[in-house]
Amino acid sequence: GQQLNQSPQSMFIQEGEDVSMNCTSSSIFNTWLWYKQDPGEGPVLLIALYKAGELTSNGRLTAQFGITRKDSFLNISASIPSDVGIYFCAGLAAGGTSYGKLTFGQGTILTVHP
Amino acid sequence: DAGVIQSPRHEVTEMGQEVTLRCKPISGHNSLFWYRQTMMRGLELLIYFNNNVPIDDSGMPEDRFSAKMPNASFSTLKIQPSEPRDSAVYFCASSHNTGFRAQYFGPGTRLLVL
Repeated sequence: GQQLNQSPQSMFIQEGEDVSMNCTSSSIFNTWLWYKQDPGEGPVLLIALYKAGELTSNGRLTAQFGITRKDSFLNISASIPSDVGIYFCAGLAAGGTSYGKLTFGQGTILTVHP
Repeated sequence: DAGVIQSPRHEVTEMGQEVTLRCKPISGHNSLFWYRQTMMRGLELLIYFNNNVPIDDSGMPEDRFSAKMPNASFSTLKIQPSEPRDSAVYFCASSHNTGFRAQYFGPGTRLLVL
């Protein structure tokens, strides 16, 4: 089946620092999504990317859909304590038996020290 | 606008009992997804519906699991009989269509089977 490799698995940073995480796949995706999950809550959509090469921002967050359609990154600038949580990438398949199914990365656990 | 609504938020039951989880998707969304999240396996897609019709239930773990979507605004996931290994967080998500649009998650139901 399809797999997404998300890295890093965890990050410990100081408030104010920038953060970068990425996902890579051996398969092509038509859509890349980035979610944040807080403890006890469901994943919340941060950014959706629908075109190869697309660069999209949402406040301090910026994400890009890789040209090869096999990767994506998420950057967080000037981190604050409320950025703490688990960040997931997810891809929607281009076709075949995985059509319409989200494939999730393993998640990046972000800790921000004040 | 209301997001995806799930009930109950928490459920504690004894092994062998029937469990019914409920979901109301975002109004206007015609695709609905049921996921299960555990520490060991992460987020797993159980089943998804498009226009109230089940499209892929290959992720449903056993015959003890069943899901229905009688109309565009309501879906249930039933486990009968429940077992301790079913303990997990169950999420419902919805999107505009099955293809390549972002999925929006509910807050989840935390199920504990004793």
